[in-house]
Amino acid sequence: KQEVTQIPAALSVPEGENLVLNCSFTDSAIYNLQWFRQDPGKGLTSLLLIQSSQREQTSGRLNASLDKSSGRSTLYIAASQPGDSATYLCAVRVETSGSRLTFGEGTQLTVNP
Amino acid sequence: NAGVMQNPRHLVRRRGQEARLRCSPMKGHSHVYWYRQLPEEGLKFMVYLQKENIIDESGMPKERFSAEFPKEGPSILRIQQVVRGDSAAYFCASSPARTGDYGYTFGSGTRLTVV
Repeated sequence: KQEVTQIPAALSVPEGENLVLNCSFTDSAIYNLQWFRQDPGKGLTSLLLIQSSQREQTSGRLNASLDKSSGRSTLYIAASQPGDSATYLCAVRVETSGSRLTFGEGTQLTVNP
Repeated sequence: NAGVMQNPRHLVRRRGQEARLRCSPMKGHSHVYWYRQLPEEGLKFMVYLQKENIIDESGMPKERFSAEFPKEGPSILRIQQVVRGDSAAYFCASSPARTGDYGYTFGSGTRLTVV
């Protein structure tokens, strides 16, 4: 059974700092991995999708990496801003689980002005 | 191009009533997934549907919960005889293909409160 863990559970940083969020998964036979952002009381916004054959994806100040063999992904946020404050969720799609996603419990990020 | 539309955004039901949650996928998407987020917990898969077919319902509670995605109209998640423990945020996602090569697009969710 796939388990996804995100560390840390919460993170508070001053504005402008670069930061890394971590995601680990127990079953390395993944199809893809997706990072989402969730604002309080809102839905999920997709940030980056990494296919199993890829090592990283970039979008603006965000960079996500994937190391299947070690079961890890990181989300790097450069020059953080108060508007980045949200909960960041990592989700994996396992090859043997059909189309379902398995989510981590998220990292709650606060960027202080 | 509207995204995944869920309604209502908030739903309050008394114990024992029925709750109906609706999800209209993005235009061109024919695959719908329902997830539940209990308070202080992560999102958990419930069911995966295509038009007129339930593909995977392994995450659905055995009783009181059902889902459908008719040929016409939105997908419906139905909870009969709701209990306090059903209070949660219910999210719908859609994708254009089973393989999810393009990832999943989520709606804003329906927050169900059972009183």
